[in-house]
Amino acid sequence: GAVVSQHPSWVICKSGTSVKIECRSLDFQATTMFWYRQFPKQSLMLMATSNEGSKATYEQGVEKDKFLINHASLTLSTLTVTSAHPEDSSFYICSARRQGGPRDEQFFGPGTRLTVL
Amino acid sequence: SQQGEEDPQALSIQEGENATMNCSYKTSINNLQWYRQNSGRGLVHLILIRSNEREKHSGRLRVTLDTSKKSSSLLITASRAADTASYFCATHRAGGGADGLTFGKGTHLIIQP
Repeated sequence: GAVVSQHPSWVICKSGTSVKIECRSLDFQATTMFWYRQFPKQSLMLMATSNEGSKATYEQGVEKDKFLINHASLTLSTLTVTSAHPEDSSFYICSARRQGGPRDEQFFGPGTRLTVL
Repeated sequence: SQQGEEDPQALSIQEGENATMNCSYKTSINNLQWYRQNSGRGLVHLILIRSNEREKHSGRLRVTLDTSKKSSSLLITASRAADTASYFCATHRAGGGADGLTFGKGTHLIIQP
């Protein structure tokens, strides 16, 4: 149990377009989901915390108008990279905290590789 | 600011040898976790050690935690080629379990067959 999926697994887009990435908890309900970004050969950096039914909380330095997060249900959070540019090319990973589960337990998705040309 | 710092950044050893990676952090924590990431893939949770624990074992993994030095180590014994991956430590900030994780820079481990 506790499987998190992401779609798509990879995407290539042209500069200026918007890209939506989905994060789904497949067999549990997730009150909180997290979005991370990982540049090549670097570590993961937390971008934002997404709570079902409320606005996301963004980390310092992350543009909320650039990275739109919607957590419309207990099993789905989406990250939309608006007007993507080559510097947005990165590996985006989500994680989910199970409703009623231990607060320090997160389940990670497999990641989405975004390449902006 | 970067919470976790691993060293070494890269480690190459022969299959069968033991691999030790270290992690330091800056703030108070409730627990510290170690993850593995194969190239271009998602994260695999390895082990969690709580702030009131000093050592924990899981199979070939041994984790220590020294809260006075704000450091942790991950030991992989009898390494295998399949252990080749990047290893990250991660913590929750300031005792908040609902927060996202702060990851260290990671150690890239290469096991030579």
